[in-house]
Amino acid sequence: NAGVMQNPRHLVRRRGQEARLRCSPMKGHSHVYWYRQLPEEGLKFMVYLQKENIIDESGMPKERFSAEFPKEGPSILRIQQVVRGDSAAYFCASSPGGAASPYEQYFGPGTRLTVT
Amino acid sequence: AQRVTQPEKLLSVFKGAPVELKCNYSYSGSPELFWYVQYSRQRLQLLLRHISRESIKGFTADLNKGETSFHLKKPFAQEEDSAMYYCALSLAGGFKTIFGAGTRLFVKA
Repeated sequence: NAGVMQNPRHLVRRRGQEARLRCSPMKGHSHVYWYRQLPEEGLKFMVYLQKENIIDESGMPKERFSAEFPKEGPSILRIQQVVRGDSAAYFCASSPGGAASPYEQYFGPGTRLTVT
Repeated sequence: AQRVTQPEKLLSVFKGAPVELKCNYSYSGSPELFWYVQYSRQRLQLLLRHISRESIKGFTADLNKGETSFHLKKPFAQEEDSAMYYCALSLAGGFKTIFGAGTRLFVKA
């Protein structure tokens, strides 16, 4: 089991472009979480998804950000019209589901987004 | 508002010395607290959770509801303990986790 995969590991975008970050959960995991880490800060929860459903997006900015976790394929975090303030490390975590699931989050290596 | 505070950005101790990484939380509900660790060039991983009351790699953490604290302790630090440590709070239902800013532990030989 390769663990949670994220790609790309590094992404550079100019202001106004779109950024697409991908997360492939661990095999057998159906729950995905996205976090953002700004410099000198902790990880901030953005969104929690199950297959084809957004369960909690209370940490997601209302504009320009969206997330999906389709039936097939990776989870995608999409940032439209990026601005410099979007520069951060974005981490994805997955969990298997079930009663103990939220406490078994396995993290990916992160994608570092730089907006120039 | 829910919040996790780790007052020390950097903690430097000598090998063999006791170490305590501080964590305070703010939450009106029943807290579920965790410590995560990130070693150099590795992913963030769960170290321990308060409900398990376990000791992992010699580390323990006790939830003190009166002081709203969940400090991480180890009696004798090892060089391999050098890493970034994050305290985290899971809200009711467990799906939303709030992380502290992290403390970098450096264990000197």
